[in-house]
Amino acid sequence: GNSVTQMEGPVTLSEEAFLTINCTYTATGYPSLFWYVQYPGEGLQLLLKATKADDKGSNKGFEATYRKETTSFHLEKGSVQVSDSAVYFCARDDRGSTLGRLYFGRGTQLTVWP
Amino acid sequence: DVKVTQSSRYLVKRTGEKVFLECVQDMDHENMFWYRQDPGLGLRLIYFSYDVKMKEKGDIPEGYSVSREKKERFSLILESASTNQTSMYLCASSLDSTYEQYFGPGTRLTVT
Repeated sequence: GNSVTQMEGPVTLSEEAFLTINCTYTATGYPSLFWYVQYPGEGLQLLLKATKADDKGSNKGFEATYRKETTSFHLEKGSVQVSDSAVYFCARDDRGSTLGRLYFGRGTQLTVWP
Repeated sequence: DVKVTQSSRYLVKRTGEKVFLECVQDMDHENMFWYRQDPGLGLRLIYFSYDVKMKEKGDIPEGYSVSREKKERFSLILESASTNQTSMYLCASSLDSTYEQYFGPGTRLTVT
């Protein structure tokens, strides 16, 4: 089964609104956690990551904190822009294996209106 | 910068055809992956490879095969395309020592 669960979209916001996209995971041990973003017509690109508990990943005004107590890695941004419209994917790695695969959530479509 | 390229952005094939999707990365990455992306289902892993000539099944390998003859190239093969294989196909690669994956732009395959 899917071991990464993120909030279903679509999410529609006005410009400068606050964004939260929830993500929780199940795993043995403490995996590294990632947020990827997919802009229209493109492949996924890494947005931010955290490799251990209490780490905060940040990039382009987005932040996410690794919370082992709640097994969560929620994505936040204080003031979204139209250019943030994209699909956001939460992911965790597979520390029980050396094969390098990631487990992705189903993605959350974000649309920001001017 | 890491670059992952895919042979086609758009492809239209007929049912029953044999289809090859090619992926090339230029950063000497050990690991390469093929996903399909469908609305409401997110990314699903088809196959991955951790070395030349080595492959592992992902979550949905049925109807697909792969080939990795050279480290930089990972091919996805649809032996006999079917309409339910109409999808966006994404290739990715990563270094052995990290789990960060770098993605290509995707190939949108339509099977009619």
